[in-house]
Amino acid sequence: EAQVTQNPRYLITVTGKKLTVTCSQNMNHEYMSWYRQDPGLGLRQIYYSMNVEVTDKGDVPEGYKVSRKEKRNFPLILESPSPNQTSLYFCASSTPGVGNTEAFFGQGTRLTVV
Amino acid sequence: DAKTTQPNSMESNEEEPVHLPCNHSTISGTDYIHWYRQLPSQGPEYVIHGLTSNVNNRMASLAIAEDRKSSTLILHRATLRDAAVYYCILRYTGANSKLTFGKGITLSVRP
Repeated sequence: EAQVTQNPRYLITVTGKKLTVTCSQNMNHEYMSWYRQDPGLGLRQIYYSMNVEVTDKGDVPEGYKVSRKEKRNFPLILESPSPNQTSLYFCASSTPGVGNTEAFFGQGTRLTVV
Repeated sequence: DAKTTQPNSMESNEEEPVHLPCNHSTISGTDYIHWYRQLPSQGPEYVIHGLTSNVNNRMASLAIAEDRKSSTLILHRATLRDAAVYYCILRYTGANSKLTFGKGITLSVRP
């Protein structure tokens, strides 16, 4: 079954404590990206990756890092989380550079930073 | 990014057809029209996409205006499970073919 898997699904952490949200896809997609979803603001892209070792900023990259060492994995790293990063996060994957393919999304990670 | 405009909400009765409109007057020639939906507490889910011609799949139909400045997602028989936020998105062919989500339209289905 084609899927994007995120872990953890729920996370409560304290300000400043580094954390990593993992994302893995089993469709051999080159393109992966991270979004955050906030009430009234919709889904906004944080970072994206066109392939292994190729990453770039999306619309709201401040406070986040990513890495792409393997095609299937695209972890989101918060080096020093702050309360304004409390949000619902989604990872997505698809074929890159082609507007006529569907994107697959993970189930989401609800992060609370206190 | 070219923008889309959707009504905030719509109601439907179960087992009746639903037509969800979307305006995209600034669409460019290489933009694909995508529809995704988000069920409560889940990630967005692909519904359908098209470029110029009408499209059908097992979930829905997509009717695209001849000038491509508007489109309509058609659910042929709404079920309670179809209650969700539906997003109309223009996806371009480029290095970062990201999905730019607007507010979407909230569909409610009455039993």
